[in-house]
Amino acid sequence: AQKITQTQPGMFVQEKEAVTLDCTYDTSDQSYGLFWYKQPSSGEMIFLIYQGSYDEQNATEGRYSLNFQKARKSANLVISASQLGDSAMYFCAMRSYGNNRLAFGKGNQVVVIP
Amino acid sequence: EAGVAQSPRYKIIEKRQSVAFWCNPISGHATLYWYQQILGQGPKLLIQFQNNGVVDDSQLPKDRFSAERLKGVDSTLKIQPAKLEDSAVYLCASSSGRNTEAFFGQGTRLTVV
Repeated sequence: AQKITQTQPGMFVQEKEAVTLDCTYDTSDQSYGLFWYKQPSSGEMIFLIYQGSYDEQNATEGRYSLNFQKARKSANLVISASQLGDSAMYFCAMRSYGNNRLAFGKGNQVVVIP
Repeated sequence: EAGVAQSPRYKIIEKRQSVAFWCNPISGHATLYWYQQILGQGPKLLIQFQNNGVVDDSQLPKDRFSAERLKGVDSTLKIQPAKLEDSAVYLCASSSGRNTEAFFGQGTRLTVV
C-alpha cells in the first residue's frame, strides 16, 4: 500500500524567497511516479511537476523543482522566488505504475506575505 | 482540449436523502478516479476505473456509495442514504497514462444538513 506523508505545519513565506515543502512516501513498488499539485482557495487542483522513480535527474518546471532522494523516499518541492499567487495548499501524490493508483498526502498550507 | 467536466457544482441535501454526481473525463483517458476531499484534508481515493472496470474501490463505503463508468467514458457516483459526514468536495480526475498527470474537474461541493 502507498503512504504519503506531509507533516509540516502551515508556512508563511516572504515574497521572492524560496520555500521547500517536505514529502516522504512509503511503497513496496519499484516503479512509480511522484506528483505535486497546488490547490488555491478556489478549489481547483493544478498540476505542478512530475518525477518518475527511474529518472536520474531532478525534475524542474519553471520556478518549481523536485528534490528527489530515492533512497530516503523523499520528494520535496522547492518553489523559488515566491509570489503572492503561490499562496495555496500543496499536495504530494504518488502513483504506482503497477495498478495506476494515485494517492495523496494531507497537504502543506503556504501563505506568501509581501 | 476540453477538461474534465463535473456536475453539479454544488448540492445541498438532507441526511438520509440520495444524491448523484456526474463526471465526463477527457476524451481518450482510460483511467478515471473519484476522490472525496473533506475541508482541510487531502483527497481520499474512493474508486478508480480503468476503462469501465473497477481497479480499486477499497476505500469506498459500499453500504452507501456506488459508482459506475458507462462504456468506459462518463461516470456517476451515488450516495444513498447520505450522512452528515459525507459533506465534502467530490473530485473526479482522469489520466491517459501512468507517467502523465491526472487532470481534475472543478469538483462537486456536497453539504448534508
